[in-house]
Amino acid sequence: SQTIHQWPATLVQPVGSPLSLECTVEGTSNPNLYWYRQAAGRGLQLLFYSVGIGQISSEVPQNLSASRPQDRQFILSSKKLLLSDSGFYLCAWYSGTESSPLHFGNGTRLTVT
Amino acid sequence: AQSVAQPEDQVNVAEGNPLTVKCTYSVSGNPYLFWYVQYPNRGLQFLLKYITGDNLVKGSYGFEAEFNKSQTSFHLKKPSALVSDSALYFCAVRTAGFQKLVFGTGTRLLVSP
Repeated sequence: SQTIHQWPATLVQPVGSPLSLECTVEGTSNPNLYWYRQAAGRGLQLLFYSVGIGQISSEVPQNLSASRPQDRQFILSSKKLLLSDSGFYLCAWYSGTESSPLHFGNGTRLTVT
Repeated sequence: AQSVAQPEDQVNVAEGNPLTVKCTYSVSGNPYLFWYVQYPNRGLQFLLKYITGDNLVKGSYGFEAEFNKSQTSFHLKKPSALVSDSALYFCAVRTAGFQKLVFGTGTRLLVSP
């Protein structure tokens, strides 16, 4: 069966420090991968998605970037964190078949101080 | 363009009573509709989906949803609510040719003992 791993679970970082969040999927190949941010325990904001290695689509221009160095690995990065980058970051994948659901990781709670 | 509306920020129901969480959608073409549940500090968990066929879809944990094409609605229902059903619920839609799942803003369900 397929599983998605996301780490770390929580992270406290000072303003101006770099960020790297990692997400990996097991048990499937060539998944579509997504990074979402959730603020204040409510709505989801799609940040990036990828339909293949090296292919990244950015939804919101901001202080973050994403990379997909391997088929089942998706990384969210920042060179210098801002206070506004605080939030709950969720990685998700799906098979690419449009009737299939999106499957989410357990999220990373990022607090920028 | 695809969009989803969840008109209620919060739904309150007593344990043992039936519950309904509302969702309406707007798409061009046939929709694929999904419901997710999120518990505090966790990722979204897939509950059920509508692709085609029967308008009443059954899912996990006793939840079901009714698809109504004329009203463009996909309401989530459960005959008898449990306190443990208290969580944040998201409706989402995707249509053919789109790789992105569009989410509603979420409805907080509070089940009182």
